[in-house]
Amino acid sequence: EAQVTQNPRYLITVTGKKLTVTCSQNMNHEYMSWYRQDPGLGLRQIYYSMNVEVTDKGDVPEGYKVSRKEKRNFPLILESPSPNQTSLYFCASSPGQAYYGYTFGSGTRLTVV
Amino acid sequence: KNQVEQSPQSLIILEGKNCTLQCNYTVSPFSNLRWYKQDTGRGPVSLTIMTFSENTKSNGRYTATLDADTKQSSLHITASQLSDSASYICVVSGRSNFGNEKLTFGTGTRLTIIP
Repeated sequence: EAQVTQNPRYLITVTGKKLTVTCSQNMNHEYMSWYRQDPGLGLRQIYYSMNVEVTDKGDVPEGYKVSRKEKRNFPLILESPSPNQTSLYFCASSPGQAYYGYTFGSGTRLTVV
Repeated sequence: KNQVEQSPQSLIILEGKNCTLQCNYTVSPFSNLRWYKQDTGRGPVSLTIMTFSENTKSNGRYTATLDADTKQSSLHITASQLSDSASYICVVSGRSNFGNEKLTFGTGTRLTIIP
């Protein structure tokens, strides 16, 4: 089944403790992206990657890192999480840009205390 | 500034009834407009994608319209079912200053279908 898999689904952590949210897609998509979703706000892009070893900042990149060493994986790294990073995170992939549907993962609900 | 505004914020209708959700946007240059359905706590799922030249597109009981002149889109749901209860998100794709595609998301309309 074609899908984007995120792990974990739920995560509670403490301020400053480094964490990684994994994202993997099995559709050989070139484009991958991370979003965060907060109440009353639309999804906002954190980082995106147009291909292996090609990443760039989205609208809200502060406090996050990403890497794209393989085509299928695009992990999101929070080096020193803070409470304002408590949010619902989505990974998405697409064959490319322009007129392609995005496939979203099921989401990771992160709480930083 | 690119913006996508959706109305209403929330809507409650009886099962079997029709409804229409609205989306107004100020994204330029425009590339395409997408409607997504998002169940609570899940990722958005694509319903339709329309380019500048497409006025209407259907996906089962979902019909999206686009008026690129007035920068408005609507999503019409026919004969609603309980499973239609979800948030519906309008997403407009434009071109960034660097030439790559950039998506602007609306905040969604929360639709509740009651038996």
